[in-house]
Amino acid sequence: DSGVTQTPKHLITATGQRVTLRCSPRSGDLSVYWYQQSLDQGLQFLIQYYNGEERAKGNILERFSAQQFPDLHSELNLSSLELGDSALYFCASSQGTGGMNTIYFGEGSWLTVV
Amino acid sequence: GENVEQHPSTLSVQEGDSAVIKCTYSDSASNYFPWYKQELGKRPQLIIDIRSNVGEKKDQRIAVTLNKTAKHFSLHITETQPEDSAVYFCAAQGQGTYKYIFGTGTRLKVLA
Repeated sequence: DSGVTQTPKHLITATGQRVTLRCSPRSGDLSVYWYQQSLDQGLQFLIQYYNGEERAKGNILERFSAQQFPDLHSELNLSSLELGDSALYFCASSQGTGGMNTIYFGEGSWLTVV
Repeated sequence: GENVEQHPSTLSVQEGDSAVIKCTYSDSASNYFPWYKQELGKRPQLIIDIRSNVGEKKDQRIAVTLNKTAKHFSLHITETQPEDSAVYFCAAQGQGTYKYIFGTGTRLKVLA
């Protein structure tokens, strides 16, 4: 158990819908990262937050948004869903930001868009 | 932008043989290089990491080497076992940046 908690574990929804994925980082970690992993694909970096502020952005679609709350949990919002958004979404956390911070992954949220 | 190339994409070895996976990064300011192992349907788990101030690190059957001049780093697994079969990802994090850039992954199959 990495200490990073993600909910829901599985989610099936229809095209055009909106979903919210939730992440609680490890105790004491201030940074949260979101990654998307499509079937048999690599880990695509979406976005990172540190202590409530956005710190880095990757290949995140405009239909997607995220935020980190004062209690440090984070939510990833996916809207106007398309079939291609079906993927495993990972949240990860680390103590700080900047260099040499080991990141720990949650178990992921499986999203299936039908 | 930052990029991490990883080779090979698939690797099959006989049990007991060694496996080597190589990564090349583009950001010369990168100073931290972790390796993750991901079993099917599970989360990536850190197996070893190396910082830019050392050239090699070893942990039992796993070792990582770093060549900062060439911007290469490699994962070495010796005496491979069937339970080593998984997808392995390298990553690089830049000094002063906040992003971890992952390689595309290597699917390792250890044949019994």
